[in-house]
Amino acid sequence: EPEVTQTPSHQVTQMGQEVILRCVPISNHLYFYWYRQILGQKVEFLVSFYNNEISEKSEIFDDQFSVERPDGSNFTLKIRSTKLEDSAMYFCASITGEGEKLFFGSGTQLSVL
Amino acid sequence: GENVEQHPSTLSVQEGDSAVIKCTYSDSASNYFPWYKQELGKGPQLIIDIRSNVGEKKDQRIAVTLNKTAKHFSLHITETQPEDSAVYFCAAKVEWPNAGKSTFGDGTTLTVKP
Repeated sequence: EPEVTQTPSHQVTQMGQEVILRCVPISNHLYFYWYRQILGQKVEFLVSFYNNEISEKSEIFDDQFSVERPDGSNFTLKIRSTKLEDSAMYFCASITGEGEKLFFGSGTQLSVL
Repeated sequence: GENVEQHPSTLSVQEGDSAVIKCTYSDSASNYFPWYKQELGKGPQLIIDIRSNVGEKKDQRIAVTLNKTAKHFSLHITETQPEDSAVYFCAAKVEWPNAGKSTFGDGTTLTVKP
């Protein structure tokens, strides 16, 4: 079965540093998402991306966050100046189009010290 | 916005018994209801889904029911096996006309005892 690939699997950073989380969605998918999951809590929506622009974003996705699809394959989430509360598992997800199954990657565990 | 509540938070059953997890949603515009299984260290994996034009869907030992009027949907796992042990999340989504965000429940930790 096709997979969404995320790198790195673990990222440790100091508070105030910038981090970039990388994702390679499934090749024929058109809609891309970032979700996060704080340890022991529910999965929370951050942002959706379609046709090279943000479709929707949550309150969590403030000015410190940005997303980019720099080429035809990668989809990145940048946190400009990390805070302790940004520590979470970040999941990338993608779908072919409307009405289709959402595929999640295995996640990047971000630890902000 | 959408709010999804999920119960119970933990569920322990004996192997071979059935397990039922229930969710309610608030936004009547939601029309797609997936269930995900999350194993330790992995991302959520879709196990079954149901759309609002259907009341019930079954796939081998797993079934989902939807009551649109009451805004609740349930996951039923029959003949549970130890490998069913995981965290299960329900979600609700407005699927049309845009492939919108999914709102997740809090999750249910299912433990199947051999």
